[in-house]
Amino acid sequence: GESVGLHLPTLSVQEGDNSIINCAYSNSASDYFIWYKQESGKGPQFIIDIRSNMDKRQGQRVTVLLNKTVKHLSLQIAATQPGDSAVYFCAERKRAAGNKLTFGGGTRVLVKP
Amino acid sequence: EAGVAQSPRYKIIEKRQSVAFWCNPISGHATLYWYQQILGQGPKLLIQFQNNGVVDDSQLPKDRFSAERLKGVDSTLKIQPAKLEDSAVYLCASSFPKGPMVPNTEAFFGQGTRLTVV
Repeated sequence: GESVGLHLPTLSVQEGDNSIINCAYSNSASDYFIWYKQESGKGPQFIIDIRSNMDKRQGQRVTVLLNKTVKHLSLQIAATQPGDSAVYFCAERKRAAGNKLTFGGGTRVLVKP
Repeated sequence: EAGVAQSPRYKIIEKRQSVAFWCNPISGHATLYWYQQILGQGPKLLIQFQNNGVVDDSQLPKDRFSAERLKGVDSTLKIQPAKLEDSAVYLCASSFPKGPMVPNTEAFFGQGTRLTVV
């Protein structure tokens, strides 16, 4: 989940459609995988997390899927709304490392009306 | 409940000058993080405190960056002297550990301080 620098991957989605944001991680020792949303000029905001021993977790309009075999994490947003436009980051938390929270690369989501 | 407070919101300094950022975490949160976020990138952890002790500072450029959390509450991050590549948003976050064997709750972030070094 390394950053791609200035050129964030961008996902354009029509309002009302579903969005899928992907993230690859490298550390299998993490206890939790987390998705954050960051709007312009604001700090990251927690969306949902998933324990490393789970495959799927659902929240309000969001679902996180964890595939440990291929070290892949995804965030699905149902019925995407204009307020969902933001940059989304995946992150990992390791209890053995004192709950160190490490961020991966981000994806910019643009919702078209 | 008040969120994580950071100040200042913006700062412009010349290279080789010094700058300090302040963070007031959510009341009762023992864990405090400082991140550096360069434009277009994800936040990079600089230092993590548990109460007033340092848990991780492996990515803190210690020749120019320093941070303290003397009473286990507020924290300051200092850069001396600043370089052009220090231009970034500096984010502070805090979280509450439920217990020694239980992972922290989610981390709450402040709005950040945008630093421009010219």
